Amino acid sequence: GAGVSQSPSNKVTEKGKDVELRCDPISGHTALYWYRQSLGQGLEFLIYFQGNSAPDKSGLPSDRFSAERTGGSVSTLTIQRTQQEDSAVYLCASSWGANVLTFGAGSRLTVL
Amino acid sequence: EDQVTQSPEALRLQEGESSSLNCSYTVSGLRGLFWYRQDPGKGPEFLFTLYSAGEEKEKERLKATLTKKESFLHITAPKPEDSATYLCAVPRQSGSARQLTFGSGTQLTVLP
Repeated sequence: GAGVSQSPSNKVTEKGKDVELRCDPISGHTALYWYRQSLGQGLEFLIYFQGNSAPDKSGLPSDRFSAERTGGSVSTLTIQRTQQEDSAVYLCASSWGANVLTFGAGSRLTVL
Repeated sequence: EDQVTQSPEALRLQEGESSSLNCSYTVSGLRGLFWYRQDPGKGPEFLFTLYSAGEEKEKERLKATLTKKESFLHITAPKPEDSATYLCAVPRQSGSARQLTFGSGTQLTVLP
């Protein structure tokens, strides 16, 4: 596609529910990243996928967070048993080559 | 620990009033410094990459410069459409080079 596509754009959920956020990267980009942006804070790295290599999960804040990337393309970030502190904008980015990330518009998650 | 600090947090300029944004970092063996622009409700958009002290990059009214400890984003004769949050980022020293540590950003408002 022309850009990185994320869905849903907005998600409101109740504390304790599970949520899934989807990312469709730019076609041909081998690397995919998830970041989290909380109000007034910088972007926080969550997880990185590169080709068929094992993902770099070092930024996931707890075992409630997981992500997968199917077929080297679409990725899903899953948050189980959501907490209010999970409220943030979740940004997906993809790249080909070193570090020039193209970001999607993000999924805004609100946990009530 | 890698740190990226941006100042000021917010900056209001009159149209045509030139200024500079600062990004200071504490990481040894810099593997690049990246500037992004973020508009409300959108993901960050790549502007520049700088790799070595003394390097400069320009794009329209923006010029980015790099020293061994900091980077500046100079805005010459800004226009209201330059209003956005400007983010800088550096690759982490540990782990994947594609884990970017972002600053909290400078929110620029250019008044007509």
